Amino acid sequence: GENVEQHPSTLSVQEGDSAVIKCTYSDSASNYFPWYKQELGKGPQLIIDIRSNVGEKKDQRIAVTLNKTAKHFSLHITETQPEDSAVYFCAAPRRGFQKLVFGTGTRLLVSP
Amino acid sequence: DAGVIQSPRHEVTEMGQEVTLRCKPISGHNSLFWYRQTMMRGLELLIYFNNNVPIDDSGMPEDRFSAKMPNASFSTLKIQPSEPRDSAVYFCASTAGPSTDTQYFGPGTRLTVL
Repeated sequence: GENVEQHPSTLSVQEGDSAVIKCTYSDSASNYFPWYKQELGKGPQLIIDIRSNVGEKKDQRIAVTLNKTAKHFSLHITETQPEDSAVYFCAAPRRGFQKLVFGTGTRLLVSP
Repeated sequence: DAGVIQSPRHEVTEMGQEVTLRCKPISGHNSLFWYRQTMMRGLELLIYFNNNVPIDDSGMPEDRFSAKMPNASFSTLKIQPSEPRDSAVYFCASTAGPSTDTQYFGPGTRLTVL
């Protein structure tokens, strides 16, 4: 089955810096890679996703890159702001199953 | 749109008691997922439904857990009897299509079993 590893588990940056979170997956057939943001006391919310026919996707300050050969994908946040502080999860679909496997999460803290 | 609605938001119960968690998916969504989140195990899928039919319950920890979806607008997750190790935040999510569509999560139910 699909195995998704996420690093780092915690990340502290200064406001205005960039933050990068990386995930690796095991199933070469995986073709959809979403990123979710979870704020304290709330459920995860999709912030960006990428499908295997593209290598990069941007949405304002966030971007996701995909390297299918190496089987890893990354979330990039530029010009970080305190409101970016949250837990971020990557995910990938499990082959043959209509379900996602989530990474273990990265707690991002952006200090003013 | 009200989003996915879960109730109760918090539940405290004693070991051995029955617990029922409720979820109302977004209107028009065809798939519904129940997740459990703990510090130790992260976000785990327990079961998911497609068009009210349970498709995969392989994540349900044991027979004490059961889930139903009697209609397109309502689902329950029941734990009977509850145990302290069931303490977690339980999330419900729904999608308009398969899991590779955006999953919209509810606010969760924080369950504490004493």
